[in-house]
Amino acid sequence: GQQVMQIPQYQHVQEGEDFTTYCNSSTTLSNIQWYKQRPGGHPVFLIQLVKSGEVKKQKRLTFQFGEAKKNSSLHITATQTTDVGTYFCARGSTLGRLYFGRGTQLTVWP
Amino acid sequence: NAGVTQTPKFQVLKTGQSMTLQCAQDMNHEYMSWYRQDPGMGLRLIHYSVGAGITDQGEVPNGYNVSRSTTEDFPLRLLSAAPSQTSVYFCASSSRGELYNEQFFGPGTRLTVL
Repeated sequence: GQQVMQIPQYQHVQEGEDFTTYCNSSTTLSNIQWYKQRPGGHPVFLIQLVKSGEVKKQKRLTFQFGEAKKNSSLHITATQTTDVGTYFCARGSTLGRLYFGRGTQLTVWP
Repeated sequence: NAGVTQTPKFQVLKTGQSMTLQCAQDMNHEYMSWYRQDPGMGLRLIHYSVGAGITDQGEVPNGYNVSRSTTEDFPLRLLSAAPSQTSVYFCASSSRGELYNEQFFGPGTRLTVL
């Protein structure tokens, strides 16, 4: 299929702990996008990765694209309650299409 | 700019009823898409459009129709609603500038079919 596989489905952490979600594909990806959806909200774009081995940081968030361009990860250092939500990876395709993973739902306990 | 707007926010239908979910964007984006989100399933592409007058099917198009008469509007029609269409529906838009662009999502329509 065209979807990307994402694990874990759920992650519960205590505030201050780290969090990682993984995205895998059986085929080489031209790009990977990451979105965050707060409870009751809509997906909001975080970042796009296109280069092999690419690493990008946004404050406490670190995004990586694998050397073979078949996997990606999002790592959050020292989670905060504001990080709560579902994180999705998505394969971007031509003509404005996105194919999403199933998401990782993050719960942060204070 | 309002971005991407969707109406209604909530809707309850009976099986067999028809309705149209409205989506509009004011960013002059060429690309627009409809997704449905079900628990544990992520978002799945229903239909998409690359410009006025041009639409095509996504992953789960059955039971849905679309049209795009203007750049701004991209309505989604359910001709005969079924309980399996109970879901949250998101409309999204993106520009055609780069090969892969971020998508801007509307707030969603939460649809229940009884």
